[in-house]
Amino acid sequence: KNEVEQSPQNLTAQEGEFITINCSYSVGISALHWLQQHPGGGIVSLFMLSSGKKKHGRLIATINIQEKHSSLHITASHPRDSAVYICAVGGGADGLTFGKGTHLIIQP
Amino acid sequence: NAGVTQTPKFQVLKTGQSMTLQCAQDMNHEYMSWYRQDPGMGLRLIHYSVGAGITDQGEVPNGYNVSRSTTEDFPLRLLSAAPSQTSVYFCASTRTGYNSPLHFGNGTRLTVT
Repeated sequence: KNEVEQSPQNLTAQEGEFITINCSYSVGISALHWLQQHPGGGIVSLFMLSSGKKKHGRLIATINIQEKHSSLHITASHPRDSAVYICAVGGGADGLTFGKGTHLIIQP
Repeated sequence: NAGVTQTPKFQVLKTGQSMTLQCAQDMNHEYMSWYRQDPGMGLRLIHYSVGAGITDQGEVPNGYNVSRSTTEDFPLRLLSAAPSQTSVYFCASTRTGYNSPLHFGNGTRLTVT
């Protein structure tokens, strides 16, 4: 079974700061997902990656397949970015394995 | 486009009661799955389906049943509710599996007393 570790577990930052959330996994995968969950809310898919880098607005996701590592970056962070960010890795009969999430708070 | 519709949003059950959580998607996705989310733990797979008529167990299937009679619907049945099933439940769908973007329902918060 794949082991997924996210860091940090909790992050508080000031509005405008550059944010990095990390995800490491133990077994080779076919795809990695970054998800966002607002307090009391549903889960929204941000990115699906199998290689390289993707950008959507102020969000950037990168993956290094050889090092089994992915990062999610938020540029010019805003209080509305406050949420839990979840990494999930997929591939094989085990299906998706989820990290425990990173709780991000952006203070005005 | 409704996406993934999950009902109810909240439910309180007494121990031993049964209920069905509904999940429907209108995107013609083949792959549907049910997860539970508990504090301090990642989402865990309960059951999944790769197409109508095909279901399989995930990581934590005990106490739950599923069926997939149509592509659109994937209900989750709690046979005899237990306090350990208190959790938030999410239904999700993808077009072809883990290499496709995930679409989640809004979740069901279930409390078993």
